[in-house]
Amino acid sequence: GAGVSQSPRYKVAKRGQDVALRCDPISGHVSLFWYQQALGQGPEFLTYFQNEAQLDKSGLPSDRFFAERPEGSVSTLKIQRTQQEDSAVYLCASSQDRTDTQYFGPGTRLTVL
Amino acid sequence: AQSVSQHNHHVILSEAASLELGCNYSYGGTVNLFWYVQYPGQHLQLLLKYFSGDPLVKGIKGFEAEFIKSKFSFNLRKPSVQWSDTAEYFCAVSMYSSASKIIFGSGTRLSIRP
Repeated sequence: GAGVSQSPRYKVAKRGQDVALRCDPISGHVSLFWYQQALGQGPEFLTYFQNEAQLDKSGLPSDRFFAERPEGSVSTLKIQRTQQEDSAVYLCASSQDRTDTQYFGPGTRLTVL
Repeated sequence: AQSVSQHNHHVILSEAASLELGCNYSYGGTVNLFWYVQYPGQHLQLLLKYFSGDPLVKGIKGFEAEFIKSKFSFNLRKPSVQWSDTAEYFCAVSMYSSASKIIFGSGTRLSIRP
C-alpha cells in the first residue's frame, strides 16, 4: 500500500519568507509525528498529533513553527519568517497508535538562503 | 535530558566482516528501543525494536540487537555484512511514559567495501 508522502520534496526559501510543508500519512493511521533533521544529525522530535489533537508540541523550536491536522489526516507544518538555522530535512511519520511502529516519509529538504 | 549516544560516526568494513554498532542511552526508567536504517536515497525504516521480553531482538536482514539494562546499551550486530548493508544507522529510544516521542542518536554511517 501507499506509504507516507510529503510535499514538496525540496523547498528553497529566502530568509523571512513563510513556508508550508505537507504530510499525507498512511491511511487509517491515528498518530502523526514531525521531526527535524539537521545535516549530520539524527531526527529531532518536533510535535505529535493523535487524530486532530496536537498532544505534544514540546519540540517546536520557536513560536515561528506551527503545525496543524484539522481533519485528523493530512498535516501541515508551517514556518513563519524563516531563518537560516531552519535549514534542515523535515520528516513526517505516522503510526496506527502512539506506541506502534512509526513509518517515515521521504522528508522535505528546506534550504533558507 | 534524555539522550542517545552512538560512538561510531563512520564505520568501514569489508564484505563478510562482523559488525557491532554501539548505542547507549541516558534514562533511568522503562524504555522502548529501536534501530532505524536509511539506505542511500530511501526513507528511514525500522530495522528492529525492543519493547519487553527477550533482550536479544532479531530484526530484518539478519540484524540483531541486545538490550543490556545494567549498561544502558542496545548494540546492533550482524555476523557477516554485505555490500547492500551500506547505509546510515540510527539508534533511538522512547520513554515508556511518553511513548510517542522518539529520541534519536546522531547516526553511524556504515560503508562496506565490496
